[in-house]
Amino acid sequence: GDSVTQTEGQVALSEEDFLTIHCNYSASGYPALFWYVQYPGEGPQFLFRASRDKEKGSSRGFEATYDKGTTSFHLRKASVQESDSAVYYCALGDPPGTGSNRLTFGKGTKFSLIP
Amino acid sequence: EAAVTQSPRNKVAVTGGKVTLSCNQTNNHNNMYWYRQDTGHGLRLIHYSYGAGSTEKGDIPDGYKASRPSQENFSLILELATPSQTSVYFCASGEGQGGGNTLYFGEGSRLIVV
Repeated sequence: GDSVTQTEGQVALSEEDFLTIHCNYSASGYPALFWYVQYPGEGPQFLFRASRDKEKGSSRGFEATYDKGTTSFHLRKASVQESDSAVYYCALGDPPGTGSNRLTFGKGTKFSLIP
Repeated sequence: EAAVTQSPRNKVAVTGGKVTLSCNQTNNHNNMYWYRQDTGHGLRLIHYSYGAGSTEKGDIPDGYKASRPSQENFSLILELATPSQTSVYFCASGEGQGGGNTLYFGEGSRLIVV
């Protein structure tokens, strides 16, 4: 079935470093791709999405570009801050036209700032 | 303000007991979902619904039932709770078709089965 693989475990960086969290998907066609962020004690929050090849999604200084060729949707931020410490989830929508309406999530990547 | 609220937020249950987790949404979305979150597994879909009266099995439905009596409410039922069902459960609502909709999550219900 359709699946999402993202950077495993934890990522730790210093303030103002460049953050990349990798996300690769396995699915046919052009599924919608999402990034969600989860802060401690809260539910996941929608960050942004993309639905077409080369489409860029962005929000709160984060961005990712839909790449059909490499089946990727890597999350990037140029200069991280303490407030970015959270768990990040990449997600994959069911194929368009199937009438189904579910999201499949990756296992999550925890980002924290090195003190 | 549109929101997804879950109750209870915390629950300790005994093995073999019945547990009901409730979810209410004011987004007026047709679709609702129950996920569980476990370290090393991320978010996994248990059951979902396309509207009042409908329930569908997700990826890990065994040991769980769901009920959608109205547009606003969606419950997850554990008839015979087991320690393996200790987890954090999230409810979400969403709109649209074809997998392109955005999901809005509640704050989670932490369940411990002893």
